[in-house]
Amino acid sequence: GAGVSQSPSNKVTEKGKDVELRCDPISGHTALYWYRQSLGQGLEFLIYFQGNSAPDKSGLPSDRFSAERTGGSVSTLTIQRTQQEDSAVYLCASRVDRGRGELFFGEGSRLTVL
Amino acid sequence: KNEVEQSPQNLTAQEGEFITINCSYSVGISALHWLQQHPGGGIVSLFMLSSGKKKHGRLIATINIQEKHSSLHITASHPRDSAVYICAVSGSRLTFGEGTQLTVNP
Repeated sequence: GAGVSQSPSNKVTEKGKDVELRCDPISGHTALYWYRQSLGQGLEFLIYFQGNSAPDKSGLPSDRFSAERTGGSVSTLTIQRTQQEDSAVYLCASRVDRGRGELFFGEGSRLTVL
Repeated sequence: KNEVEQSPQNLTAQEGEFITINCSYSVGISALHWLQQHPGGGIVSLFMLSSGKKKHGRLIATINIQEKHSSLHITASHPRDSAVYICAVSGSRLTFGEGTQLTVNP
């Protein structure tokens, strides 16, 4: 596609359920980032993929969060046993690689945990 | 202390005013990005800088690598410029500032 695509755009779930958020980066972009933004807050780093290298998972807030990137393209962020504090907009961004290129952001997935 | 600090946090201006938003960082970087986020909207990249100065229309971005400082200027500001402006630096990872909420009143 022409841009970074994220799905779903909105997700409402009950506390304790698992959710999966998907990011489809721009074709050819090797760097992919996941961030989240809580209401009125700044961007919080979650995880970063660069090509075939081991991902930088240092921003994941707990072991309930995991992410994978299959075939160097699509990425899935999984949150297990969701909590109310997980409610946020989850943003994905990609760029050509770690050191090059503009950042392109998806529209985000708004997660609401009831 | 945050690795990326922006100032001011909030800025209100009258239409037509010249606006400056500042960004200071404390880590080694390969590039600095200025981003714009409209209310309820996505984030778009305005500039990517590794040195010097760039200009797009009424927007100008400068960076001083030695001083680890960048500025975003908006000339002849307009209400449609109202948004959150975010500074981000790319080194080993992307690190974001807290953002500057700009409101331009007609």
